[in-house]
Amino acid sequence: DVKVTQSSRYLVKRTGEKVFLECVQDMDHENMFWYRQDPGLGLRLIYFSYDVKMKEKGDIPEGYSVSREKKERFSLILESASTNQTSMYLCASTRGGAYSGNTIYFGEGSWLTVV
Amino acid sequence: AQTVTQSQPEMSVQEAETVTLSCTYDTSESDYYLFWYKQPPSRQMILVIRQEAYKQQNATENRFSVNFQKAAKSFSLKISDSQLGDAAMYFCAYRSATTSGSRLTFGEGTQLTVNP
Repeated sequence: DVKVTQSSRYLVKRTGEKVFLECVQDMDHENMFWYRQDPGLGLRLIYFSYDVKMKEKGDIPEGYSVSREKKERFSLILESASTNQTSMYLCASTRGGAYSGNTIYFGEGSWLTVV
Repeated sequence: AQTVTQSQPEMSVQEAETVTLSCTYDTSESDYYLFWYKQPPSRQMILVIRQEAYKQQNATENRFSVNFQKAAKSFSLKISDSQLGDAAMYFCAYRSATTSGSRLTFGEGTQLTVNP
């Protein structure tokens, strides 16, 4: 079974702290994604990566950065956490290549509260 | 940029009845994939059904089927013989077939309640 693991399920951080959310997948997937989920807004794409060291901005990249130094790991970084970044964060991964209908696998989510 | 719209924030259905969830999307592309995902209270996203835009035949998976209207850019999900376990948030999603690293774009979601 493919596994997408988000290391932290629940975090509480203070305003201004630097926050790292880690995502690891074990199926050698090329593509990885970070979304945030908020009520009434669905899932909004923050960043995605289609290869090691490659990244593209999604729809709401402001206040976030990402790192992909190894193929299996995609990190989301909040340089200076703010209360409006309180949300649930979902990581996803899928194979690359020409077949964009590949199954996309999701982690279980990381609940972040910024106080 | 592609957009996906789910105009029904909440829906309810009686157990054993049929319910249809709506989804519309906007794209200038001709080749793409559409998905319905289910998110139960555990928050784990589960793929319900997938439709390839170049296929005219509507996808079906057991009690789940879609009505794909490419010209109208509409992709609705029909759940037949609804069960209590179908209660969840349902998301419609779009992905381009022309770029291998393309993003997956989601709608706002529809919260489905199944009444016993």
